[in-house]
Amino acid sequence: GQQVMQIPQYQHVQEGEDFTTYCNSSTTLSNIQWYKQRPGGHPVFLIQLVKSGEVKKQKRLTFQFGEAKKNSSLHITATQTTDVGTYFCAGRSLGGADGLTFGKGTHLIIQP
Amino acid sequence: DAGVIQSPRHEVTEMGQEVTLRCKPISGHDYLFWYRQTMMRGLELLIYFNNNVPIDDSGMPEDRFSAKMPNASFSTLKIQPSEPRDSAVYFCASSTDPKQPQHFGDGTRLSIL
Repeated sequence: GQQVMQIPQYQHVQEGEDFTTYCNSSTTLSNIQWYKQRPGGHPVFLIQLVKSGEVKKQKRLTFQFGEAKKNSSLHITATQTTDVGTYFCAGRSLGGADGLTFGKGTHLIIQP
Repeated sequence: DAGVIQSPRHEVTEMGQEVTLRCKPISGHDYLFWYRQTMMRGLELLIYFNNNVPIDDSGMPEDRFSAKMPNASFSTLKIQPSEPRDSAVYFCASSTDPKQPQHFGDGTRLSIL
């Protein structure tokens, strides 16, 4: 079945440093979504990418979808303590079922 | 607007007992998803419904797990009999369309002793 791999599993950064998490799918995706989960909370939708090579920005967050639609990345510029949490990518296979396959997430830990 | 509502928030019970988790999706959302989250396995899709009909239950781990959606505003996930390895956080999510964002409930933290 479809697998979505996400690296790194954990990332420690100093406040103000940049952060990037990478997502790779074993199959071509129709779309990819990103979610953030705060400690003790539930996943919250951030953004969806659909087009090959698409790049979207939300303030300090930049999301990219690979040309082959099999990989994606999330980059945060100048991290703040409010960025703490786990970032998940979730993909849907092209021509596959409607359910999302989530990566295991990247836990972002920020040291002030 | 009310979000996805799950109950109970926490459940502690002894192995062998029946456990029932409940979910009320956002009104107007035709898709409902049940997930299980553990440190080892991450967030796993167990089953999802479209218009109250189960579409894909391939993620349900065993026959001990069952899910129903008797109407558009209510779904249950039942574990019988429960085992310690079922301990996890169970999330319910809903959406208007599989291509749209999923809205998650606060989850049920289940501990089987």
